[in-house]
Parts: sequence; C-alpha cells; structure tokens
Amino acid sequence: QITLKESGPTLVKPTQTLTLTCTVSGFSVSASGAAVAWIRQPPGKALEWLALIFWDDDKRYRASLKSRLTITKDTSKNQVVLTMTNMDPVDTGTYYCARSGTAPSFGTSYFFDQWGQGALVSVSS
Amino acid sequence: EISLTQSPDTLSLSPGERATLSCRASPSLDSDFVAWYQQKPGQAPRLLVYGASNRATGIPDRFSGSASGTDFTLTISRLEPEDSAVYHCQQFANPPYTFGPGTIVEIK
Repeated sequence: QITLKESGPTLVKPTQTLTLTCTVSGFSVSASGAAVAWIRQPPGKALEWLALIFWDDDKRYRASLKSRLTITKDTSKNQVVLTMTNMDPVDTGTYYCARSGTAPSFGTSYFFDQWGQGALVSVSS
Repeated sequence: EISLTQSPDTLSLSPGERATLSCRASPSLDSDFVAWYQQKPGQAPRLLVYGASNRATGIPDRFSGSASGTDFTLTISRLEPEDSAVYHCQQFANPPYTFGPGTIVEIK
C-alpha cells in the first residue's frame, strides 16, 4: 500500500521559513523512475504545483517561487522535504505531497497518482 | 504559463444523469498532457484520468476523458451520489504545471 504523509508546523510567522516533510511508504523515493512533488491549495483557490524531485536528485521548481523553494530527499528515511523561505500570509493553505504518475507513453511525468492527506499551514503574526 | 478555465462553475444533476465537464487551455497544448482529479471536502485530490483519456487504476468506467483541440472534457456517464465533489483539470505539458479552478458537481 502506498502512502504519503505530510508533517510540519501548522502556524508560521511572516518572514519565517517553512519546512515540511513528506514521509513515504510503499515505494522508494530513490527507486528508478520515482518522483515526488509538492502542491499547495490556498483556501477556496486552485491547486498550485510548487516543486518536484526525481529519484536521481534532479529537481524542478515553479519559476515564480524558485528563489524561495528548496526540495530535497532523505533516502535513508524515505522522505522528501520542502523548505519555503520568507513566508507571507498569502502562502496560507493546504500543502500536499504527491507521487508522480508513470505511464508507457509518458515515463515519469507531471501528473500525480498518489497524494498525501495534506498539511494546513497558516501564516500569521 | 498555460491558463486553464473550467465550465460550468457548478453542475447540479440527479443520480443516473450524465455530467459533462469542460476545461479549456490558453494558449493551446498537446492534448495528451491533461489530467483530471476528483476532490471531496477535506480530502486530497484523487487522480481520475491522465493523458486526456486514460483512466487511472481503480477508477470506474463511468468516468471518461476526451480532447478536441484546446478543449478537454470529463464525462461521468451515470452519476452516483458519491460523485458529489469538485473536479479539477491539470495540464502537464509545460511548466509550471497548472490546474483549473474546478467544477463543483452537486447531486440533487
């Protein structure tokens, strides 16, 4: 059974750094073809893809947030970590980690077939 | 950045009826690179369809996807009460990989 579970603070202050951890079970984040992404959803708004890390440590970031984001993985713990600096109230929302889907015609791709339950993060002083 | 618009905003139908949800991309994109998700209140999104028309594992065959040019469609052929949810489309052709605002499907 594949599960992803987000953990981290529920409240951060403006200008602080957010660190979220995605703990994965049922597949290895370092297995060939694996990739894990972070996606967020502000209250009442659309989902927003943030970053993705591949099994070989290749990384992709949303260009508009690239200067604030870092995605890493800890293969010994089978975890993926997202840090976001200089948090602002507009960053409030639910943050999800998700596994990239794979298909014969796409390889490891940028649609997401398994999601964590989400972590609600509020940014407020 | 590719923008996705979804219509209608809300769809209110009875069990057994057919639901047709639309997603339009601007600028246009390769029709293969679209996915659809279902999201119920308080839950994570669930992948329904990828590659415009491929059902994800375990998804009932009443859910189907299609594409025509820049227009993408998710059809639920026979609505069931548990289909009440928000449905999101997503493009994964070009970064950033964007999502539509969602269509709310209500079951009367």
